[in-house]
Amino acid sequence: DIVMTQSQDSLAVSLGERATINCKPSQSVLSRSNNRNYLAWYQKKSGQPPKLLISWASTRKSGVPDRFSGSGSGTDFTLTISSLQAEDVAVYYCLQYYNAPLTFGGGTKVEI
Amino acid sequence: EVQLVASGGGLVQPGGSLRLSCAASRFSLSNSWMTWIRQAPGKGLEWVANMNRDGSEIYYVASVKGRFTISRDNARNSLSLQMNSLRVEDTAVYYCGAGGGFLVDDWGQGTLVTVST
Repeated sequence: DIVMTQSQDSLAVSLGERATINCKPSQSVLSRSNNRNYLAWYQKKSGQPPKLLISWASTRKSGVPDRFSGSGSGTDFTLTISSLQAEDVAVYYCLQYYNAPLTFGGGTKVEI
Repeated sequence: EVQLVASGGGLVQPGGSLRLSCAASRFSLSNSWMTWIRQAPGKGLEWVANMNRDGSEIYYVASVKGRFTISRDNARNSLSLQMNSLRVEDTAVYYCGAGGGFLVDDWGQGTLVTVST
């Protein structure tokens, strides 16, 4: 199984400042056949279902604010919130969907 | 907008069974891979199982293999998760989701399963 490591359990960021969340899969999630990274980012707020923000490591889902961006490849990925807003307070999870069983990172709680 | 609603959760004793359902509206479930994930109290997200459009491909996390069964009824536009031999550690909010493949684009509201004496 691919182990997903999010090294930060929590992150305190001031409003308007940048938040950077890291995720490291234990093995590459880059497919050589299509050159795509099978890595997604979800936002999870208490009492709500997860919300997909980013797929394929860097493709923002329609409707997601452009302050959210994803980057990285292989075994090193980053989710960046360029200017933190109050409504961004949540737990953020990375997910590898390269193979089954799919695996989530432990989550990073973003606080103000 | 895709709507998914999970139901069937409740309190069950260890060793008992429960069947969760996921009803889909505003889209045809038959066009989607369907997935269950869970979140135990105070813990992170855990992927549980998924299946492809016609049920010919099914995957489970190791901890539920042999105890849980995912199934779908495309005619009724619904998804199920039969959970047997439940353990205390299965206590969680369970969410169903839909997507074009392994990746889930949309998640529904969850249902709470509590396994306790």
